[in-house]
Amino acid sequence: QVQLVQSGAEVKSPGASVKVSCKASGYIFTSYVISWARQAPGQGLEWMGWISVYNGNTNYAQKLQGRVTMTTDTSTSTAYMELRSLRSDDTAVYYCARYPPPWLVGGPDPWGQGTLVTVSS
Amino acid sequence: EIVLTQSPGTLSLSPGERATLSCRASQSVSGSYLAWYQQKPGQAPRLLIYGAFTRATGIPDRFSGSGSGTDFTLTISRLEPEDFVVYYCQQYSNSLPYTFGQGTKLDIK
Repeated sequence: QVQLVQSGAEVKSPGASVKVSCKASGYIFTSYVISWARQAPGQGLEWMGWISVYNGNTNYAQKLQGRVTMTTDTSTSTAYMELRSLRSDDTAVYYCARYPPPWLVGGPDPWGQGTLVTVSS
Repeated sequence: EIVLTQSPGTLSLSPGERATLSCRASQSVSGSYLAWYQQKPGQAPRLLIYGAFTRATGIPDRFSGSGSGTDFTLTISRLEPEDFVVYYCQQYSNSLPYTFGQGTKLDIK
């Protein structure tokens, strides 16, 4: 079945970086977009950015520009999200999700199970 | 960036009643790129509706989506106990930032 499996929870110090992985299976990885979102404790969903696996294009949320980088490794069907210069307000559950390109029918599904990143000194 | 505003913030209803959740966009959204999600505590969002009105695989037919342009609606025809959680809308127009609404919490009255 189509699924996205994310890496495990992380605890980081302020100023450090974190890299979360999202391994895809059950579909042609290079045909879709992977988008990342996060959810701080008790808050709503915040969109972070997307990467088109088929052409490498990216689009990042303005507030994260310069701190976030999204990449893919097509040999392992894995997407990565790296966030640098971590602050306490980056503490959140981070999600990846598969989005269809314009020429494919379907919706944003599935989602990964989420990765908790805690930033604390 | 398209801003999505969901209303109400909290909706208090009883099982068996009908729920109507609203999502209003700051500018026109192509209906092909409007989704609704359900999120239970401690879980990832679950896709309910995409393309403004198409139910995702396995979603019961008591969930329906409608709307176009800047006004979209999620309707739950007969509330079940497990429906009392949080719902989000999202637009994901190609080449634009994908934005979420702030969410509507469905509470048991």
